[in-house]
Amino acid sequence: KQEVTQIPAALSVPEGENLVLNCSFTDSAIYNLQWFRQDPGKGLTSLLLIQSSQREQTSGRLNASLDKSSGRSTLYIAASQPGDSATYLCAVRPSNYQLIWGAGTKLIIKP
Amino acid sequence: EADIYQTPRYLVIGTGKKITLECSQTMGHDKMYWYQQDPGMELHLIHYSYGVNSTEKGDLSSESTVSRIRTEHFPLTLESARPSHTSQYLCASRAGTNEKLFFGSGTQLSVL
Repeated sequence: KQEVTQIPAALSVPEGENLVLNCSFTDSAIYNLQWFRQDPGKGLTSLLLIQSSQREQTSGRLNASLDKSSGRSTLYIAASQPGDSATYLCAVRPSNYQLIWGAGTKLIIKP
Repeated sequence: EADIYQTPRYLVIGTGKKITLECSQTMGHDKMYWYQQDPGMELHLIHYSYGVNSTEKGDLSSESTVSRIRTEHFPLTLESARPSHTSQYLCASRAGTNEKLFFGSGTQLSVL
């Protein structure tokens, strides 16, 4: 059974730092992996999607990588800003099945 | 960006009441989903639909039901609410060939 883990559960860093969020999964047979952002009391916003054949995707200051063999994905945030404060969730799609979600990392960027 | 709407945003009700959580999207998406999320926890799929008159149970369908009579509308009904149903309910949709999910703002349900 596929399991998705995000460690740490919470992270606090000063503004301006580059940081990495981690996502690990137990079964390498995935169709794709997605990173989402969730603001308090709101729904989720899709940030990046990596297909199983890809190694990374970039959008602005965000870069997501995928290493299926090791069951890991990272979300790199460059030059962090207070507006980046949110909970970041990753989700994997096993082939032709529904998304399996991690519990998220709550990120706080201190001004 | 996302044109997917959930009502109500907050709901406090007593045990045993029947409730319907509304979800509508104006993007013409075929696929729609209901998720349940407790604070600090992962999302759990309750129900999903791949089109009109198509509904399937997820991992956590519990005592809820859904209907998909129109493409844009995917309501979730709890026949008899219990305190264990207290949670946030999130509705999402996506186009048939696009993996990107769009989420509503959620309904925070409290059952007393």
